[in-house]
Amino acid sequence: AQSVTQLGSHVSVSEGALVLLRCNYSSSVPPYLFWYVQYPNQGLQLLLKYTSAATLVKGINGFEAEFKKSETSFHLTKPSAHMSDAAEYFCAVSPSGAGSYQLTFGKGTKLSVIP
Amino acid sequence: DADVTQTPRNRITKTGKRIMLECSQTKGHDRMYWYRQDPGLGLRLIYYSFDVKDINKGEISDGYSVSRQAQAKFSLSLESAIPNQTALYFCATSPGQSTGELFFGEGSRLTVL
Repeated sequence: AQSVTQLGSHVSVSEGALVLLRCNYSSSVPPYLFWYVQYPNQGLQLLLKYTSAATLVKGINGFEAEFKKSETSFHLTKPSAHMSDAAEYFCAVSPSGAGSYQLTFGKGTKLSVIP
Repeated sequence: DADVTQTPRNRITKTGKRIMLECSQTKGHDRMYWYRQDPGLGLRLIYYSFDVKDINKGEISDGYSVSRQAQAKFSLSLESAIPNQTALYFCATSPGQSTGELFFGEGSRLTVL
C-alpha cells in the first residue's frame, strides 16, 4: 500500500521568496517519487522524479526535491519564486519499477505568487 | 497540435444521459489512462489500458466504461450520468516501459445537472 500527504492545500509566497511545498509518503516497498505541475486550464506535466539514483533531484524551471528516507519526505523547493510559478503542484508515489498505472497522487497544493 | 487530444473540452449534460469522452494520442505510447480530478481530492485512476486487448479497472471504475478502439484512441463512457460525476477528466499516456512519467491531455470538464 502507498499514500502521499501534501501539507497545505494552498501556499502563498512573495515573488523572489523561497518556495517550499511539502510531501510525505508512505510505501511498503522502495518508492519512486514524482512532482507534477498543473498550470491553469492545462493538464499535468512532470516537474521532476526520483527513481533511486541521486537523492537530490533537479527538475525544470529551477525546481528541485530531496528524497529523505529517514523522514519519508520528498519536499519541493525553488530558491526564488516567479509569477509564472503560480500553479497547482501534485506529489505522487509508485512502487519502484511498477510503472505509471500504480501512481498514487496527493491532493495537490495550489501555489500563489504575490507580486 | 497537442500530443494527447481530448474531446470535448467542456460538456454540460443532464442526469441519465449517456456521455462519451474521447482521447487520441500521437505519441505512439502503448499505455493509456483515464483519470478524474476533483477539487481537494487530487487525481484518481478510473481505467487504464496497456494495449488494445488489455483494459483494467482503476480505483474508481464504477459507473464508467472504456473502449480502446486503436493504439491511439481510448474513450471513456458514462452510460447514465449522475451529478456526482461532475468533474475534470484527464486522459494520459505512457511508454510501455514506464518509470512513472505520464503525458496528459488538457482535460474535459463535465457538468451533470
